[in-house]
Amino acid sequence: QVQLQESGPGLVKPSETLSLTCDVSDDSISSYYWSWVRQPAEKGLEWIGRVYSTGIINYNPSLKSRVTMSIDTSKNQVSLKLSSVTAADTAVYYCAREIVTAGRAFDYWGQGALVTVSS
Amino acid sequence: DIQMTQSPSSLSASIGDRVTITCRAGQTLSNYLNWYQQKPGKAPKLLIYGASSLQTGVPSRFSGSGSGTHFTLTISSLQTEDFATYYCQQSYSVPRTFGQGTKVEIK
Repeated sequence: QVQLQESGPGLVKPSETLSLTCDVSDDSISSYYWSWVRQPAEKGLEWIGRVYSTGIINYNPSLKSRVTMSIDTSKNQVSLKLSSVTAADTAVYYCAREIVTAGRAFDYWGQGALVTVSS
Repeated sequence: DIQMTQSPSSLSASIGDRVTITCRAGQTLSNYLNWYQQKPGKAPKLLIYGASSLQTGVPSRFSGSGSGTHFTLTISSLQTEDFATYYCQQSYSVPRTFGQGTKVEIK
């Protein structure tokens, strides 16, 4: 089964850019949408956006001005950048695979990467 | 954005109880509604997709129903491992949105 692994700095300073990558363990990267979802401590889930191998990208309007996502099929990797971060961006960040058919659900998730925004 | 509202926000139940969680959408979703289970410190796990289809490997005591704007997740006989937080999520349109979660606790 596919495995997803997020990685990146666990501590980011306010006003700087958060950068995370998600390594996908198999070649399915070209056949699915790949989303980023975040979860502040003790709070609910927020969808950040998604990317497809053809270049289709959708962002959450609430974060659109600060988010950049990309996909590198040669490396089986998806990336997230969030600029001008504040303490409100402190959260666990998950990458998740979205099935193209079958309800369009998130069927696989990474373990999550905790990112703390603090000086 | 499509607003998703779950009820209750939390509930206490005993082993063997039948548990029902409701999710309402701000507009029709057809059947593009999914349910996830999340345990502390873990990523969400897909339980139900397309409102009523059981994800592979998920016990049959979990079931989903509904269409349009009203959906339910039912656990027919609550087990110890089912104590967790449950989220609904709409996949009808972007941005994808989640309900606020329902925490199922031990009575």
